[in-house]
Amino acid sequence: QVTLKESGPVLVKPTETLTLTCTVSGFSLSNARMGVSWIRQPPGKALEWLAHIFSNDEKSYSTSLKSRLTISKDTSKSQVVLTMTNMDPVDTATYYCARTQRSGTNDYWGQGTLVTVSS
Amino acid sequence: DIVMTQSPDSLAVSLGERATINCKSSQSVLYSSNNKNYLAWYQQKPGQPPKLLIYWASTRESGVPDRFSGSGSGTDFTLTISSLQAEDVAVYYCQQYYSTPFFGQGTRLEIK
Repeated sequence: QVTLKESGPVLVKPTETLTLTCTVSGFSLSNARMGVSWIRQPPGKALEWLAHIFSNDEKSYSTSLKSRLTISKDTSKSQVVLTMTNMDPVDTATYYCARTQRSGTNDYWGQGTLVTVSS
Repeated sequence: DIVMTQSPDSLAVSLGERATINCKSSQSVLYSSNNKNYLAWYQQKPGQPPKLLIYWASTRESGVPDRFSGSGSGTDFTLTISSLQAEDVAVYYCQQYYSTPFFGQGTRLEIK
């Protein structure tokens, strides 16, 4: 059974760095056919893809947010970590992690974690 | 970036009727070497994460009812629900994965 679970702070202050962890089970981060993506969704708004990482450490980032994002993985812990620097209230959103097939489709999703940016 | 634009933004359809959602990409998402369209459709119900419905533009994910179908190629795509059921009320998103992934703005589907 494939599961993904996001964890991290509920509230961050403007200018702080957000660190989110996705803990996966039911598949291995060393599987060459799969990776993990981060996607976010501001309240009442559309999905926005942020980043992905694959087993060979191949990474890709959103063009508009690239300068603020870092994605990494710890295969032994089955965890993928996303950091986003210089947080702003507009970054308030539910942050999802999803299993990503090599083709690029996201076939399993976590329940998401709501992060609010406020002083 | 290859930007995705969906139409309409919202749609109301009677139970049992057909629902059609369109998605247009700013560039072709058809990869010529394998003749596959790198286009997926997701369904998101309130309070839930998105669910993958269709990939390669027309391949249904396992367990997805056959009333859902995808069509199109190149830059123009359609998601069709042949006979709307109450449980299909949701927001639907297209996503291209030809290049840096990008989602459409979503289409809200309601019952008329």
